[in-house]
Amino acid sequence: EAGVAQSPRYKIIEKRQSVAFWCNPISGHATLYWYQQILGQGPKLLIQFQNNGVVDDSQLPKDRFSAERLKGVDSTLKIQPAKLEDSAVYLCASSRDLFYEQYFGPGTRLTVT
Amino acid sequence: AQTVTQSQPEMSVQEAETVTLSCTYDTSESNYYLFWYKQPPSRQMILVIRQEAYKQQNATENRFSVNFQKAAKSFSLKISDSQLGDTAMYFCAFTNAGKSTFGDGTTLTVKP
Repeated sequence: EAGVAQSPRYKIIEKRQSVAFWCNPISGHATLYWYQQILGQGPKLLIQFQNNGVVDDSQLPKDRFSAERLKGVDSTLKIQPAKLEDSAVYLCASSRDLFYEQYFGPGTRLTVT
Repeated sequence: AQTVTQSQPEMSVQEAETVTLSCTYDTSESNYYLFWYKQPPSRQMILVIRQEAYKQQNATENRFSVNFQKAAKSFSLKISDSQLGDTAMYFCAFTNAGKSTFGDGTTLTVKP
């Protein structure tokens, strides 16, 4: 089966610009996660969807970050405006349902200059 | 709030030997799952092993096994017969129905 797809793989933007990331989970997976991973740290959960509803977004900086999951399948994560501290790898993961193991995509490496 | 602590930022082991990575967590939940994930250099994160909190029996997966001590909130990973391909960053993760929390990882280097 196809894995979790993410695009783009790399993105360089200037501060105050906007950027969007796309994720296509494994077919049939109900749960989708977006993580921010800063170099040398563990992934930090930004938002978790169950089908097209939000389960947890307590660590999402809502003044600049937004995310949606279209029709309970694909998802986009947007940052507007970007700050220098947003430089990180953004990981998307999906799981069959809550409590199941997560399958990760390759990530998008964002550099904000 | 739930937290996951990995107290060993870096570890090394000789090929074919055994190594144990530590993880402790804090939660007030009774129903949860614990995972170890592996992130090789410049490669995707993959699952190593999973443990359901309601199961007393420790999970095993080939050369990988866990020591799950629920009362102590401890979840260590043992890697037997270490191989060069085990070189990676290892993350301990806690999941309940509403949230997933990862530790900051342990970088493991297997030396020939």
